[in-house]
Amino acid sequence: GAGVSQTPSNKVTEKGKYVELRCDPISGHTALYWYRQSLGQGPEFLIYFQGTGAADDSGLPNDRFFAVRPEGSVSTLKIQRTERGDSAVYLCASSTGLYNEQFFGPGTRLTVL
Amino acid sequence: TQLLEQSPQFLSIQEGENLTVYCNSSSVFSSLQWYRQEPGEGPVLLVTVVTGGEVKKLKRLTFQFGDARKDSSLHITAAQTGDTGLYLCAGEGAGGTSYGKLTFGQGTILTVHP
Repeated sequence: GAGVSQTPSNKVTEKGKYVELRCDPISGHTALYWYRQSLGQGPEFLIYFQGTGAADDSGLPNDRFFAVRPEGSVSTLKIQRTERGDSAVYLCASSTGLYNEQFFGPGTRLTVL
Repeated sequence: TQLLEQSPQFLSIQEGENLTVYCNSSSVFSSLQWYRQEPGEGPVLLVTVVTGGEVKKLKRLTFQFGDARKDSSLHITAAQTGDTGLYLCAGEGAGGTSYGKLTFGQGTILTVHP
C-alpha cells in the first residue's frame, strides 16, 4: 500500500516568508508526527497528533511554528516569518500506535535564503 | 544536551568486517528503536526492543537492549556494501516524556567499501 507522502519535496523561500508543508499519512494511521532534521543530525521531535488533537507540541521551537490536522488525516506544518535557521529537512511519520512503530515519509527539504 | 549519544559518528570499513554501533543515555526508555536512513529518504525502522536485556536478530544484524533500558547496541556481522547508510537509534518515553515522542541520537554514518 501507499506509504507516507510529503509535499513539496523541496521548498526554497526567502527570509520572512510564510510556508506550508503537507503530510499525507498511511491510511488508517491515527497518530502523526513531525520532526526536523538538520544536516548531520538525527531527527528532532516537533509535534505529535493523536487523531485531530495535538497530544504533544513541546518540540515546536517557537510560536512561528504551528501544525494542524483538522480531519485526523492530512496534516500541515505552517511556518511564519521564516528564518535562515529554519532550513532543514522536515519529516513526517505516522503510526497505528502499536509499540509506536513510526513509518516516515521522504521529507520536505526547506531552504530559507 | 543530547539525550541519546551514539558512537561512533562515522565508521568506514571493508566489506566482510564486523562492526558495532552504540547508543547510550542516562535516561531510562520504555522502548528503543533502530532506524536506517538513506540520502533523500526518511528513516526506515529496523527493530524495536522493549525489554531490558532483550536481544533481537535480523539476518546479519544483532540488536541488544541494556538491562537497565538506558543503552543499546547494533552489531553487524560480515558487512556488505548494501549496509552503507545512516543508522539512528531512537528512544521513547524517556524521563517521563509522553509516549509517541521519539528522541533520536545524532546517527552513525556507515560506509562499507568493496
